[in-house]
Amino acid sequence: EAGVVQSPRYKIIEKKQPVAFWCNPISGHNTLYWYLQNLGQGPELLIRYENEEAVDDSQLPKDRFSAERLKGVDSTLKIQPAELGDSAVYLCASSLWGGSVNEQFFGPGTRLTVL
Amino acid sequence: GQQVMQIPQYQHVQEGEDFTTYCNSSTTLSNIQWYKQRPGGHPVFLIQLVKSGEVKKQKRLTFQFGEAKKNSSLHITATQTTDVGTYFCAGGEKTSYDKVIFGPGTSLSVIP
Repeated sequence: EAGVVQSPRYKIIEKKQPVAFWCNPISGHNTLYWYLQNLGQGPELLIRYENEEAVDDSQLPKDRFSAERLKGVDSTLKIQPAELGDSAVYLCASSLWGGSVNEQFFGPGTRLTVL
Repeated sequence: GQQVMQIPQYQHVQEGEDFTTYCNSSTTLSNIQWYKQRPGGHPVFLIQLVKSGEVKKQKRLTFQFGEAKKNSSLHITATQTTDVGTYFCAGGEKTSYDKVIFGPGTSLSVIP
């Protein structure tokens, strides 16, 4: 079974440039999460989708970040414009919510460096 | 809002020694999950605890959920170099969609 796929794995951009990350969750998983992880810290939720609906985007900086999950499958996270402080690893995770165990399966992440 | 804390932040142990990390929530949790992240890797699910006072074991790992469902611990017996990594607890808060908040993690180093 294929795991969560993310691309690109690494991205280096200059500040004020736009950047986009893509995530394909495990087949059949209805819940998709985007997290931001800074070095030495735990994942911080940016947005959570249940199918196509964003059920929690309270921590998403909406002035520069946007996300979509068309057709309730794969998802894109965009930053425009990027700032120096956005340098971090962006993790995508998926789960099959509604079962007894809400295990999250994480992708390898995209490491973003903003110069 | 809900906060999840973990101590210690770092732990260095000699191979064969035991290790424990503690997780505390500012609110009562519906469940607690534990994840392990190897250096350069991504978090991998270890276990979920749901019941008050629950204790679960996975080989050398013992997980406990507090009676008040506000704290949890992970204990590793006789650490091995393969145990190296960062251990995160993730507290589940009962909302319409089971909100989960990750703690800052405990980084474990094992000296051979």
